[in-house]
Amino acid sequence: TQLLEQSPQFLSIQEGENLTVYCNSSSVFSSLQWYRQEPGEGPVLLVTVVTGGEVKKLKRLTFQFGDARKDSSLHITAAQPGDTGLYLCAGAGIYSGGGADGLTFGKGTHLIIQP
Amino acid sequence: EAQVTQNPRYLITVTGKKLTVTCSQNMNHEYMSWYRQDPGLGLRQIYYSMNVEVTDKGDVPEGYKVSRKEKRNFPLILESPSPNQTSLYFCASSYGTSGYDEQFFGPGTRLTVL
Repeated sequence: TQLLEQSPQFLSIQEGENLTVYCNSSSVFSSLQWYRQEPGEGPVLLVTVVTGGEVKKLKRLTFQFGDARKDSSLHITAAQPGDTGLYLCAGAGIYSGGGADGLTFGKGTHLIIQP
Repeated sequence: EAQVTQNPRYLITVTGKKLTVTCSQNMNHEYMSWYRQDPGLGLRQIYYSMNVEVTDKGDVPEGYKVSRKEKRNFPLILESPSPNQTSLYFCASSYGTSGYDEQFFGPGTRLTVL
């Protein structure tokens, strides 16, 4: 199993601030996904990145896949209380053929945006 | 509405009493899987299924069984539950079996084994 390290584990900031969370590994991934999970619910997909160096934007959220496809970041601009949740990254291992069976989840970043 | 449903949502049981958590999806998805989520350990895959009658072990399969007799259903069976199986369980499905296919998760089942 390939490991994905997420940092920070916990982050509490004021509304309007910017933040970045990281997802790092020593392994190469064929693709990487970011999910958000709210209390009492299952994770919901935010974005999938596939190409090294790829940048995707979803309103105030910017996702980047590292050039070597070993890491990814999520940047939130002007955070809102509605951004509160558990953010999970998930990588499909290149050595497992990039299949869903080889999907590895990070432990997540608990984000709290205070009004 | 496209969704993954799990039942029950909450369950408290005792050691050794067999239980089944049901999972059903209405999106005609090929791939289904079960995860458990524990504080400090994150989401860990228990079992997965690439198609009907095709199942395989994930990272933490010990103490669990699954079956995939129909495309839409993927029940998780605990033959003899133990306290270390107390956890939050999620069923997920995706259209394809690629790692970049979106995983659709159910709402979760919180299991407590006394």
